[in-house]
Amino acid sequence: EPEVTQTPSHQVTQMGQEVILRCVPISNHLYFYWYRQILGQKVEFLVSFYNNEISEKSEIFDDQFSVERPDGSNFTLKIRSTKLEDSAMYFCASRDRVNEKLFFGSGTQLSVL
Amino acid sequence: QQQVKQSPQSLIVQKGGISIINCAYENTAFDYFPWYQQFPGKGPALLIAIRPDVSEKKEGRFTISFNKSAKQFSLHIMDSQPGDSATYFCAARISGSARQLTFGSGTQLTVLP
Repeated sequence: EPEVTQTPSHQVTQMGQEVILRCVPISNHLYFYWYRQILGQKVEFLVSFYNNEISEKSEIFDDQFSVERPDGSNFTLKIRSTKLEDSAMYFCASRDRVNEKLFFGSGTQLSVL
Repeated sequence: QQQVKQSPQSLIVQKGGISIINCAYENTAFDYFPWYQQFPGKGPALLIAIRPDVSEKKEGRFTISFNKSAKQFSLHIMDSQPGDSATYFCAARISGSARQLTFGSGTQLTVLP
């Protein structure tokens, strides 16, 4: 089965630093998402992206967050100035135009010290 | 109104038993209800999904029961196996475009050998 690939698998950063989380969605998919999951809690929606623009975003996705699709294959999440509470597992997901099935990557565990 | 409430938080079942996880929603605009399975260190993976025009959907040992009037749906795992031990999330979505998936809080299932 095709896979969503995320890098790095773990990222440790100091509070206030910028981080970029990278994702390669499945090649023919058109809708892209970022979710996060704080340890032991539910999966929370951050942002959806389609046709090179943000479609929806949650209240978590404030001005410190941004997304970009810099080329035809990568999809990135940037956190400009990390806070302790940004520590979580970040999941990228994608789906095609027709199928409702959302494919998730294995996640990037972000630890902010 | 975007919430999906899930219970129980944890469930322990003997091998061969039936596992039942319940979810309730409020937003009547939701029209796609998937269940995701998540193993430690992995992203959620789609298990089975249902639309509100049917009351039940079965795939192998997994069945979704859907009660539109009560705004509830449940996952039944028949003949539960130790390999089913994972966290299960119900979710809901308004289909179409780049709409977000709203997740329940998750159920940690342990199947004892």
